[in-house]
Amino acid sequence: DAGITQSPRHKVTETGTPVTLRCHQTENHRYMYWYRQDPGHGLRLIHYSYGVKDTDKGEVSDGYSVSRSKTEDFLLTLESATSSQTSVYFCAVRQGAAETQYFGPGTRLLVL
Amino acid sequence: GIQVEQSPPDLILQEGANSTLRCNFSDSVNNLQWFHQNPWGQLINLFYIPSGTKQNGRLSATTVATERYSLLYISSSQTTDSGVYFCAILGSGTALIFGKGTTLSVSS
Repeated sequence: DAGITQSPRHKVTETGTPVTLRCHQTENHRYMYWYRQDPGHGLRLIHYSYGVKDTDKGEVSDGYSVSRSKTEDFLLTLESATSSQTSVYFCAVRQGAAETQYFGPGTRLLVL
Repeated sequence: GIQVEQSPPDLILQEGANSTLRCNFSDSVNNLQWFHQNPWGQLINLFYIPSGTKQNGRLSATTVATERYSLLYISSSQTTDSGVYFCAILGSGTALIFGKGTTLSVSS
């Protein structure tokens, strides 16, 4: 499982509130990713990081920000949650020269 | 960008049956992965297979990169094989581009 944990695993929040999701890895992987999974869309990349304090946007980055102050932690923040951000959020790491990605257990977020 | 199409979208099998899932992609790739998402939502790596054939127990995969497709074979299916199977390609940059998946239901 590449030593990935996500917290919280489930969250219910209200529109307009800030939300932070945490991804923690224990194997010193340089690359980390946040994806969201929605019915009919599969998994889509939100943001990724290629090192401490080095991040870049993915396909669906609007409304999200990220931070990586330590190798092991990659945080995803919804500054002001909207109902369209109700989704399942997966963190992933890249392992090995083959760029194989391994996924965490996911966080289910419901924005009311 | 690269398009990834999977077929069939849904598959219903009796336990013990064999199946073939297909992934077509629109451009040349050097990174292709197959995942299984179980009914609890966990994404499990099955194969990293940019070309050639690999086998792992009852599962095997073949990618023909020059013809832009990959196949996942499941033999003697079990109820625990149920879930969604995704093919994913590394696009430009570092993001995986996922197909929409094949939903497999295996009944006893």
